Amino acid sequence: DTAVSQTPKYLVTQMGNDKSIKCEQNLGHDTMYWYKQDSKKFLKIMFSYNNKELIINETVPNRFSPKSPDKAHLNLHINSLELGDSAVYFCASSRGLGGEQFFGPGTRLTVL
Amino acid sequence: KQEVTQIPAALSVPEGENLVLNCSFTDSAIYNLQWFRQDPGKGLTSLLLIQSSQREQTSGRLNASLDKSSGRSTLYIAASQPGDSATYLCAVPYSGAGSYQLTFGKGTKLSVIP
Repeated sequence: DTAVSQTPKYLVTQMGNDKSIKCEQNLGHDTMYWYKQDSKKFLKIMFSYNNKELIINETVPNRFSPKSPDKAHLNLHINSLELGDSAVYFCASSRGLGGEQFFGPGTRLTVL
Repeated sequence: KQEVTQIPAALSVPEGENLVLNCSFTDSAIYNLQWFRQDPGKGLTSLLLIQSSQREQTSGRLNASLDKSSGRSTLYIAASQPGDSATYLCAVPYSGAGSYQLTFGKGTKLSVIP
């Protein structure tokens, strides 16, 4: 029973392409997040959604856009991919703001 | 702005030893503090969450303490095992503007030698 799942696990693509990463949680949580882990393994928040409303938007390029069709899903769309977007992207969820966060397995994005 | 520091960056111990991982944060107005482990190529696994009103939280061989006033938390691992080898991360929600975004330390990479 996977609590937070992400697809795909690996994504290799060319510069300039547009891609999406999907995230689903079956924990009944109302808040979901996207994090980026760079090559130095440092984790940084990108977005969070609470009750389908964007409540945090860290200073990420507007090429990145989160989309939440319902409380159980938060997908990440990336337009015009750049080399510097290569990283591992993690989805997470929690019950309410500040609640214990549970993470997905990550999506390793490689931009060539 | 919240900053989280973890010391040491790496630690190698023989199996069976007790050990302590340290985490410090600059803004004591935290909502809670969460400890995670990350195995190579994997996601993060939540280990313990301590609310700001608590001083300790225990789960099996793990014990986490929190001293908000000094901006410190420790993760104590008793009777370490090779399976404990992983990177341990602490994170605090930064409550600026009510956002509760998690700020992570850079982690402590633990190796337990059989």
